[in-house]
Amino acid sequence: EAQVTQNPRYLITVTGKKLTVTCSQNMNHEYMSWYRQDPGLGLRQIYYSMNVEVTDKGDVPEGYKVSRKEKRNFPLILESPSPNQTSLYFCASTPGPNYGYTFGSGTRLTVV
Amino acid sequence: AQSVAQPEDQVNVAEGNPLTVKCTYSVSGNPYLFWYVQYPNRGLQFLLKYITGDNLVKGSYGFEAEFNKSQTSFHLKKPSALVSDSALYFCAPRTGANNLFFGTGTRLTVIP
Repeated sequence: EAQVTQNPRYLITVTGKKLTVTCSQNMNHEYMSWYRQDPGLGLRQIYYSMNVEVTDKGDVPEGYKVSRKEKRNFPLILESPSPNQTSLYFCASTPGPNYGYTFGSGTRLTVV
Repeated sequence: AQSVAQPEDQVNVAEGNPLTVKCTYSVSGNPYLFWYVQYPNRGLQFLLKYITGDNLVKGSYGFEAEFNKSQTSFHLKKPSALVSDSALYFCAPRTGANNLFFGTGTRLTVIP
């Protein structure tokens, strides 16, 4: 089944403890993105990648890092999480600009 | 500055009646326009897109959308609503390779 897989689905962590949210797609898509969803704000793009080793900042990149060492994987790294990063995170992939995104099921992160 | 507006946070419609979820946008250049749906505790699902051509586009689950360039609108429509259509709907213009950005969403409730 074609899909984007995120792990974990739920995560509660403490301020300052580094964490990684994994994302993997099995569709050989070139483009991948990370979004965060907050009430009243819709979805905002954190980072995106247009190919292996090609990444760029989205609208809200502060406090996040990404890497794209393989085409299928696009992990999101929070080096020192803070409570304002409590959110619902989505990874998504697409073959190109003319196509819709396929989204993962989301990761609900709580930073206390 | 680019923006997208979904003027209604909530839309209620009776089952069997037609539904409309509104979207207006302001972007530079010619946008690609997308609609996504989010069911509770799920990721977003692609519904339909407008790239070029016919202003009326048809998508998944019987939904369609009408592109109006002069009014910069891309309203989502369905001739006969189902209770199972109840969900959160997002309009998302896209310019360039990866600059996809989302409206704040409209919650659709279909009343039996």
